[in-house]
Amino acid sequence: QQPVQSPQAVILREGEDAVINCSSSKALYSVHWYRQKHGEAPVFLMILLKGGEQKGHEKISASFNEKKQQSSLYLTASQLSYSGTYFCGTGRTGSARQLTFGSGTQLTVLP
Amino acid sequence: DAGVIQSPRHEVTEMGQEVTLRCKPISGHNSLFWYRQTMMRGLELLIYFNNNVPIDDSGMPEDRFSAKMPNASFSTLKIQPSEPRDSAVYFCASSLQGAHTEAFFGQGTRLTVV
Repeated sequence: QQPVQSPQAVILREGEDAVINCSSSKALYSVHWYRQKHGEAPVFLMILLKGGEQKGHEKISASFNEKKQQSSLYLTASQLSYSGTYFCGTGRTGSARQLTFGSGTQLTVLP
Repeated sequence: DAGVIQSPRHEVTEMGQEVTLRCKPISGHNSLFWYRQTMMRGLELLIYFNNNVPIDDSGMPEDRFSAKMPNASFSTLKIQPSEPRDSAVYFCASSLQGAHTEAFFGQGTRLTVV
C-alpha cells in the first residue's frame, strides 16, 4: 500500500523553509526520500531506519516517528536547486522488502 | 560503477506490438524493482525481485505484462500486446537489500504506444 504524502505542492521563495510529510497505515522498517527533476530519474536523498539509523544528505534533514508510522522531510534555507518533486518511499517490517512510493510533492523555489 | 542501465531510453510502438524493456542493475545489488510512472498514478511498483526471484508481482497490471530476471545482471519487462494506456516512463531500480537500503534508479524508458 502506498504511503500518503502532504502537501501535494509547495511554492516558496529562496531562503524559506519547507516541510513535507509522509505517513503509512502499515508498520515500517524504513522511510526513503528522493527528489526528481523534470525528465530525470529520482535521486536518493535520505533513508531513515527503524531504530534511529539515518543516512543521507548534509543540507536536508528528516525525522521518522516509528510509533505513528510518519516521516517528515525538512528543507531549510531553500535554494533554487531544491525545486523538483519529492517522493517518500517506504519499506515495511517483516520479510517483504518491496519499496513503495507516495504520490509526490511538487516543490517550486522562486528567486 | 556505471549505475543502473536501462535500454532503450525511448520506445515508440504501435498498439498490439510486443515491447521489451531491459535493465542492468548495479553489480552486487541483490534487489531489483520495476516501476511505472504516469502523471495520474505517480510511481507504481510493478514487480520486485530478490536474488533473481520475483517476490512481489502484485503491481503488474494484467497478464499482458511479464518480467524476468534470468541472472543477477539482467532483467526484462515485456508487454504483449501493448496498448495506448501503457504509455508511461518505466524505471528500473536496484539496491543491496530491498527497501532496507537506498535504491538507485536507471534513467528510465519512455514508452509511447500509438
